[in-house]
Amino acid sequence: QVQLQQSGPGLVKPSQTLSLTCDISGDSVSSNSATWNWIRQSPSRGLEWLGRTSYRSKWFNDYAVSVKSRITINPDTSKNQFSLQLNSVTPEDTALYFCARGARSLSAYDYWGQGTLVTVSS
Amino acid sequence: EIVLTQSPGTLSLSPGKGATLSCRASQSVSSNYLAWYQQKPGQAPRLLIYGTSSRATGIPDRFSGSGSGTDFTLTISRLETEDFAVYYCQQYGSSPYTFGQGTKLEIK
Repeated sequence: QVQLQQSGPGLVKPSQTLSLTCDISGDSVSSNSATWNWIRQSPSRGLEWLGRTSYRSKWFNDYAVSVKSRITINPDTSKNQFSLQLNSVTPEDTALYFCARGARSLSAYDYWGQGTLVTVSS
Repeated sequence: EIVLTQSPGTLSLSPGKGATLSCRASQSVSSNYLAWYQQKPGQAPRLLIYGTSSRATGIPDRFSGSGSGTDFTLTISRLETEDFAVYYCQQYGSSPYTFGQGTKLEIK
């Protein structure tokens, strides 16, 4: 059974960096049959895919244009986890953030983290 | 970017009735790459349907999906109280991988 456990602060100051981590159990961040994604949800923007990392003989990253200049998603094979860093945050980045596994065989997100509410405020 | 528009925004029905939820895409989506999720308050979305019509593991057969091109449908037959939630469609074929704005299914 795959489980994703998120961690990270719930409050970030404007202009600073939002950092979240997603610990994976029951699968590997290096799996050839999965992608590892960050998705956020807010009343104004709905569900918004932010980006993903995946391993296919080498590491690939893919980011949404809306955040591409500010986002980094990194895998950590030693800890079997992946992380999200979002720089220069504004109150518009206030949202519920989810990590999720993209199953290659399903072309869908079949396992999700519990969600982390991140508020950007001074 | 593929925009997914769901209708109706809210659907009020009684338990035991059937529900039909619509998802329309701004561009054609491969049938392999259209999914539906259910979300209840305080929870992450739950995968119901992938590849337009395949049920995810553990999803009861009262949930079914259909469609092609730009028009897709989620049908729920014989609504049970646990089915009242928000439903999202999502396309996985073209980055960015977008979601619809959701249909809220509420008890009448």
